[in-house]
Amino acid sequence: GAGVSQSPSNKVTEKGKDVELRCDPISGHTALYWYRQSLGQGLEFLIYFQGNSAPDKSGLPSDRFSAERTGGSVSTLTIQRTQQEDSAVYLCASSPLKGDIQYFGAGTRLSVL
Amino acid sequence: GENVEQHPSTLSVQEGDSAVIKCTYSDSASNYFPWYKQELGKGPQLIIDIRSNVGEKKDQRIAVTLNKTAKHFSLHITETQPEDSAVYFCAASESNDYKLSFGAGTTVTVRA
Repeated sequence: GAGVSQSPSNKVTEKGKDVELRCDPISGHTALYWYRQSLGQGLEFLIYFQGNSAPDKSGLPSDRFSAERTGGSVSTLTIQRTQQEDSAVYLCASSPLKGDIQYFGAGTRLSVL
Repeated sequence: GENVEQHPSTLSVQEGDSAVIKCTYSDSASNYFPWYKQELGKGPQLIIDIRSNVGEKKDQRIAVTLNKTAKHFSLHITETQPEDSAVYFCAASESNDYKLSFGAGTTVTVRA
């Protein structure tokens, strides 16, 4: 079946603008995760969803970052008033249940000019 | 929280030779250790994982070893091929946990 799908694949924005990044998890996967990958670094955990609830938002870097998930499926990561340091690849993953293998999407490359 | 360190950051090997990547972790409660391979423009893909009740696991040309006492684990790729060229990430978490802590990655280049 289809894997994790993320859109857009690339996003270029100006400093101060808001952006929305979308993730379509694998059908039936209840757990969804967002990570950030900065150039030359490993993946940094941002937030985890179980169903539509986000029990752990501890990885969100600032209050400019928020995320939601609807219908136990699609998730949107929103970054308000983008800054240059927000430039990174944002990866989404899903798993059947919490603790199962995480399957990653190809990511959204965000460039803030 | 968990801190995972990964070495080396880059690795160049001749086709047919072996490649070894090493990771250490800090949280003794961690007991799940996956390895991901990321090719250019793609998301990370799980290639092998190991849990703490096992010391070694092998899948064709790929093997992972775990030393819980020393808190380190390693990825071994034998008979390397050009298609093994990619960035490899190790990670650690507690079993049934959701938060994977990743190493910084190793860029492996296999020279033909």
